[in-house]
Amino acid sequence: NAGVTQTPKFQVLKTGQSMTLQCAQDMNHNSMYWYRQDPGMGLRLIYYSASEGTTDKGEVPNGYNVSRLNKREFSLRLESAAPSQTSVYFCASSEFTSQFFGPGTRLTVL
Amino acid sequence: SQQGEEDPQALSIQEGENATMNCSYKTSINNLQWYRQNSGRGLVHLILIRSNEREKHSGRLRVTLDTSKKSSSLLITASRAADTASYFCARLNINDYKLSFGAGTTVTVRA
Repeated sequence: NAGVTQTPKFQVLKTGQSMTLQCAQDMNHNSMYWYRQDPGMGLRLIYYSASEGTTDKGEVPNGYNVSRLNKREFSLRLESAAPSQTSVYFCASSEFTSQFFGPGTRLTVL
Repeated sequence: SQQGEEDPQALSIQEGENATMNCSYKTSINNLQWYRQNSGRGLVHLILIRSNEREKHSGRLRVTLDTSKKSSSLLITASRAADTASYFCARLNINDYKLSFGAGTTVTVRA
């Protein structure tokens, strides 16, 4: 039982490049989330998926897209990376109210 | 935008002492949760207190909630070096059921 897994752990991109962050959970949770964490800012919600087949914008969705591929997987895509997207990205899942987090992806955009 | 603040931003204590941190929020909540984050790791859920509860305990953790003041506190008793981490409160908004996190309190426990 791995919980929530994220790949990759680290990534360096050049401005304008694209990439997809992968997230998977094996707890059969309905809801999944993508957050970014910046110094002194806590976590901010980018997108979430309340159930398979649905996605909704969070607090900071600009520059990102998501896909809820199936119940297990929820990916985050940066189509054209910008330096402002340098951050640590966390995926989380939940069934009711408390959330389970992955280990994070540290992304640097040069 | 963040829904509130944790206070203090940082806290340094001696092993064995108690650590108290506070969380304030602005809008109505369904529940309030506390999470811990060790350096370089993801967040781990510690404890949840519902809006109709005033106090909750879990091991060395004690959480209080005052909905009239829109504030909560987390007390860690008899701290250990392993308690060194950042602690975040997260409010479950009653309108959209999303979690809103504060900026966190960084706790350092000195041996």
